[in-house]
Amino acid sequence: AIQLTQSPSSLSASVGDTVTITCRASQGISSALAWYQKDSGKAPKLLIYDASSLQSGVPSRFSGSGSGTDFTLTINSLQPEDFATYYCQQFNTSPLTFGPGTKVDIK
Amino acid sequence: QVQLVESGGGVVQPGGSLRLSCEASRFSISNHGMHWVRQAPGKGLEWLAFIEFHGNYKNYADSVKGRFTISRDNSKNTMYVQMDSLRTEDTAVYYCARGRGQWPSHRFDNWGQGTLVTVSS
Repeated sequence: AIQLTQSPSSLSASVGDTVTITCRASQGISSALAWYQKDSGKAPKLLIYDASSLQSGVPSRFSGSGSGTDFTLTINSLQPEDFATYYCQQFNTSPLTFGPGTKVDIK
Repeated sequence: QVQLVESGGGVVQPGGSLRLSCEASRFSISNHGMHWVRQAPGKGLEWLAFIEFHGNYKNYADSVKGRFTISRDNSKNTMYVQMDSLRTEDTAVYYCARGRGQWPSHRFDNWGQGTLVTVSS
């Protein structure tokens, strides 16, 4: 199975900051990567797919980049509702796998 | 707005069985591959199982293969997972999710709110 690692595992930031989260795959996955936001007690929300495509309805302050093994999620001008845990997911190969998550909390 | 609602969670003893349901509304599941994903307490997300449009192809994570069975009834717009031989490590919130793309290139574009399964004696 393809393993995904994320860094950092957690970070503290302030409203208005720019945040970057990295996801690394154990082998090349082309652009078959998605990013999700997960708030405690809520359903995950798809933010980015195909590494850089913004899901409909997601604010443009979210962006993704990368291909192969290294990917990033960037959140510009962090808003109060963005404090949550973020997961990457690869869909290049079954089994579909998720990264361990990056928790973004308030500084 | 697309909606997925899971039900059937609860407390079960180790070795026991449970069946979860996922009812969809405002879209037809017959046009989509569907998935089950879970999150154990304090852990990350884990994909469990996939079923294609008509139920003829299914795929499972190794952790549940042989114990869980995914199914669907398109006439009821509902997906299921039959969970047998449950273990304490199966304790989690179980989510159903709609797949987008061509298997296995699926991202999950809509999720239910989840149902809690607790396996404990």
